[in-house]
Amino acid sequence: AQSVTQPDIHITVSEGASLELRCNYSYGATPYLFWYVQSPGQGLQLLLKYFSGDTLVQGIKGFEAEFKRSQSSFNLRKPSVHWSDAAEYFCAVGASNFGNEKLTFGTGTRLTIIP
Amino acid sequence: DTEVTQTPKHLVMGMTNKKSLKCEQHMGHRAMYWYKQKAKKPPELMFVYSYEKLSINESVPSRFSPECPNSSLLNLHLHALQPEDSALYLCASSQQQGYEQYFGPGTRLTVT
Repeated sequence: AQSVTQPDIHITVSEGASLELRCNYSYGATPYLFWYVQSPGQGLQLLLKYFSGDTLVQGIKGFEAEFKRSQSSFNLRKPSVHWSDAAEYFCAVGASNFGNEKLTFGTGTRLTIIP
Repeated sequence: DTEVTQTPKHLVMGMTNKKSLKCEQHMGHRAMYWYKQKAKKPPELMFVYSYEKLSINESVPSRFSPECPNSSLLNLHLHALQPEDSALYLCASSQQQGYEQYFGPGTRLTVT
């Protein structure tokens, strides 16, 4: 079974500073990987996805993520954060074996932005 | 357009009530999902429909009953809920099961 670990429960970053959120996954085959963002009381918005190909993936809102198979990681980065980036971020892994395709979410990382 | 809509936004119900949550998408997606999310936790998968057939039931209590009337609609019928069922209920859809999922804004359910 697949699993996801987000080691940082809460991160605080100054506005304009760079950001990296960590995500480690466990899955036997090539995983499908996703990052979602959730503002309080809202649904989840897809930031980016990795299925195959280029290991550096560009997403919306200036986010990118890099798939590193050797480290089983899919870390999310942004070069300069804005106050509106404050939210909960979830990494998720999808199983690629037919008939069992569902997402497993990490526990989330809450991002706080300070002026 | 990657919009999934959910109604109602908020719902308060007693433990003896029967109510339904509705979800709709017009993206031509053939997989639809119900999740339950408690505060400060990730979403927990409840049900998956693929091509209008129930594909996954994550051992959800029978007081939750899903229904997929057609490829655009997904309902969750609620009956005899418990206070611990209070949560944000999220609907999602994807092109097919296993592809990226698009989430609705959720229904905030309170059981009194």
